[in-house]
Amino acid sequence: TQLLEQSPQFLSIQEGENLTVYCNSSSVFSSLQWYRQEPGEGPVLLVTVVTGGEVKKLKRLTFQFGDARKDSSLHITAAQPGDTGLYLCAGVGSPGYALNFGKGTSLLVTP
Amino acid sequence: DAMVIQNPRYQVTQFGKPVTLSCSQTLNHNVMYWYQQKSSQAPKLLFHYYDKDFNNEADTPDNFQSRRPNTSFCFLDIRSPGLGDAAMYLCATSRENRNEQFFGPGTRLTVL
Repeated sequence: TQLLEQSPQFLSIQEGENLTVYCNSSSVFSSLQWYRQEPGEGPVLLVTVVTGGEVKKLKRLTFQFGDARKDSSLHITAAQPGDTGLYLCAGVGSPGYALNFGKGTSLLVTP
Repeated sequence: DAMVIQNPRYQVTQFGKPVTLSCSQTLNHNVMYWYQQKSSQAPKLLFHYYDKDFNNEADTPDNFQSRRPNTSFCFLDIRSPGLGDAAMYLCATSRENRNEQFFGPGTRLTVL
């Protein structure tokens, strides 16, 4: 199993603040995905990054894949209460294996 | 809209009473997964089907079984639920093992 470490585990901020969530591993991943999960619901795919150094933007969310494809970050600009949820990174490593999930970052944005 | 559907959304069972959770998909994906997720934790893969081929994770208890009668449907059977099996059960699909996974809304299982 290829381990993904997410940090921080919990984050509580006020509306309008910026934040960054990190996803790190000692293993190389062929692709990495970010999901957001709201309480009582299944994870929803936000983005997939494939190329080392790749940067993708989704409105106020910016995702980056490390040059060595071992790490990724999610940056949220001007967080809103609707951003509250559990953010999960998941990597695809060796062929034939399913996703390896990080433990998640639980984000709370208060008005 | 193409989607992953899980029924029921909430299931209550008694200790030791068998229970079946169902998942259906209209995405025509060939891979279907079952995950267990406990509170504030990441989803934990139980097993997956690649077409008709069943792939069990090494640490999945024998108490958990699965069936996939056709491409669209997949079932999770818990033969003798224990209190520790109370969790959210998530079904997901993908076109191939290495592609993005699409999750259903989950079934919240309570064991009394």
